[in-house]
Formats: sequence, C-alpha cells, structure tokens
Amino acid sequence: DIQMTQSPSSLSASVGDRVTITCRASQSISSYLNWYQQKPGKAPKLLIYAASSLQSGVPSRFSGSGSGTDFTLTISSLQPEDFATYYCQQSYSTLLFTFGPGTKVDIK
Amino acid sequence: QVQLVQSGAEVKKPGASVKVSCKASGYTFTSYGISWVRQAPGQGLEWMGWISAYNGNTNYAQKLQGRVTMTTDTSTSTAYMELRSLRSDDTAVYYCARLGPRIAVAGTVDAFDIWGQGTMVTVSS
Repeated sequence: DIQMTQSPSSLSASVGDRVTITCRASQSISSYLNWYQQKPGKAPKLLIYAASSLQSGVPSRFSGSGSGTDFTLTISSLQPEDFATYYCQQSYSTLLFTFGPGTKVDIK
Repeated sequence: QVQLVQSGAEVKKPGASVKVSCKASGYTFTSYGISWVRQAPGQGLEWMGWISAYNGNTNYAQKLQGRVTMTTDTSTSTAYMELRSLRSDDTAVYYCARLGPRIAVAGTVDAFDIWGQGTMVTVSS
C-alpha cells in the first residue's frame, strides 16, 4: 500500500500569513494527489485535485504543487475561515486510496 | 443540488452489526462510485472501500476485508455500508463520499468531490 505522510502535524499562524503544508508519498504517485480541508464537526471538502488544480468555488489563495513523491499545499494569505485540518490523499493506486495523517492549522 | 444524505447516529454493542445508508440526489447515481471513509474521535481519515453504483463492483481496505459489505440500491439512489463484529475501535464518524473523475492537465484523477454529513457509530457495552 502507498503510505502518505504530512508535515508539520500542526502549526500556529496568524491571519495574513503564508502557510505551506508538505505531503510525501512512499512511492511515486505522479500527480494523483488531492487536498481536503476539514473543519471541526464537518465533512471534508475537496480543495485541490491532481496536485495543482483548484476545485470549483475554492478561493485562489489556495494552491498546490508537486509531482512524484513530494507535494505542497500553500495558503498565500491565511484567512480566519482557513483555520482547519488539511489532508492529502493519493488516487494513484486504483481503488485503494489512502489519506495523509492531517495537518492542523490553528490561530497563533 | 448535488448531495449525499446519511442515516442517523447508531449505538451498538460489541459483536453486533451496523448498516449505514447514504442517499444521493441531484446527479445520476449510476454514473459515479461511492466510497466510505471513517474517522475515529480525534483521529484522521481512513478509507474503507469503494462500490461502483453502475455495476456493484467493490474494493475494500484490506484491514476490513471479511467484516464490511458495501451495496447499492439504484431504485432509490442509496448506498449502504454494513460493518459486522463491531469492536470498540470501530467507534467513529462514518462518511460516504462520491468518487468523481477530475480532468486536469496532468490527466484524469479521481477525487472525493461530494461528501455526506457523517454518521456517528458508537460501539459500547
């Protein structure tokens, strides 16, 4: 199975900060990488698919990059509504999906 | 609008079974697959398996093989997830999610684009 790791596991940031979260796959997954945002008590929400494509309706301050084994999610200017937990997820293994452990972004 | 609506919270005893439903609306049910994802309290997301709403084909996470069954009823656009021989560590919020192909420059990538609201399953004696 493909294992996913994320760093950091948590971070504290202020409104307006630039935030970067890293996701690493245990083997090359090309660009088969998605990012989700989850707020407490809510279902996850798709933010980025195929490593760098923005899901419809998601603000442009979110961006993704990377391919192969190393990926990043960047929030260019953190907004109050962005405080949440972020998960990466690989779609490379056909119908054997795995999520990263998550990165919690909270208020400094 | 496109949505998935799940059944309500359940409390079960160890060794029992639970069956959670997920009713789809706003799209052609048989054109997409449905995955189930669970989240134990304070923990991350765990993918459980997938079912094709078109032909009923399934693929389950290895750790749940033999205990989980996913089915669909195309007449009501509803997906079901049954988990048997429940243990305390099955206590979690269970989500259904639509698996949608996303077309990008790099190619077509499957992503969970629509999620149900979640169903809390508590296993306790």
